[in-house]
Amino acid sequence: AQSVTQLDSHVSVSEGTPVLLRCNYSSSYSPSLFWYVQHPNKGLQLLLKYTSAATLVKGINGFEAEFKKSETSFHLTKPSAHMSDAAEYFCVVSEPGQGNLIFGKGTKLSVKP
Amino acid sequence: GAVVSQHPSRVICKSGTSVKIECRSLDFQATTMFWYRQFPKQSLMLMATSNEGSKATYEQGVEKDKFLINHASLTLSTLTVTSAHPEDSSFYICSASGDREINTQYFGPGTRLTVL
Repeated sequence: AQSVTQLDSHVSVSEGTPVLLRCNYSSSYSPSLFWYVQHPNKGLQLLLKYTSAATLVKGINGFEAEFKKSETSFHLTKPSAHMSDAAEYFCVVSEPGQGNLIFGKGTKLSVKP
Repeated sequence: GAVVSQHPSRVICKSGTSVKIECRSLDFQATTMFWYRQFPKQSLMLMATSNEGSKATYEQGVEKDKFLINHASLTLSTLTVTSAHPEDSSFYICSASGDREINTQYFGPGTRLTVL
């Protein structure tokens, strides 16, 4: 069975400092992995996705994530946080041939000036 | 690209009335659409999956007679909350996947439903 664990419910960083949002997954097969961002009272925006190509995935707004099979991790990083990055971030997994997504519980990112 | 819209963005209704929410894929054909529900400060919960032209598949615990889903075309799916009650108040989000990118869902902006 698939599952996703986001290790931190809340991460707070200062503007201009690096961001690390952690995600571990469990999957029986080679999964597809996604990071979505949700701003307050908004829908979800796709940041990036991994689908068995390059293990280092670059997304929008300067975010990237690295797929590490040995660690079953897919952590999201950004070198320098911006105030506009403050939002809820969801790590998501799906298995080949499965249309539905399994969501992590989300990590709220706060950015201090 | 890959834009999904939802209408209305928010709705307030009286208990016992029915509310219809539309989900449209604006620039791609959505062979599959998904409906999610999100409670405050929680993750998304999948309610149902619909494929164009066929009946929706509901997740366990979701009442299909209460949450009517129609996916009549490749660009439109509707969710009707019938005889709404205050406990149905929530944030409803749709997503769509199709010919844009395989295995990728694009999400609508959500609809805030408040039942008085």
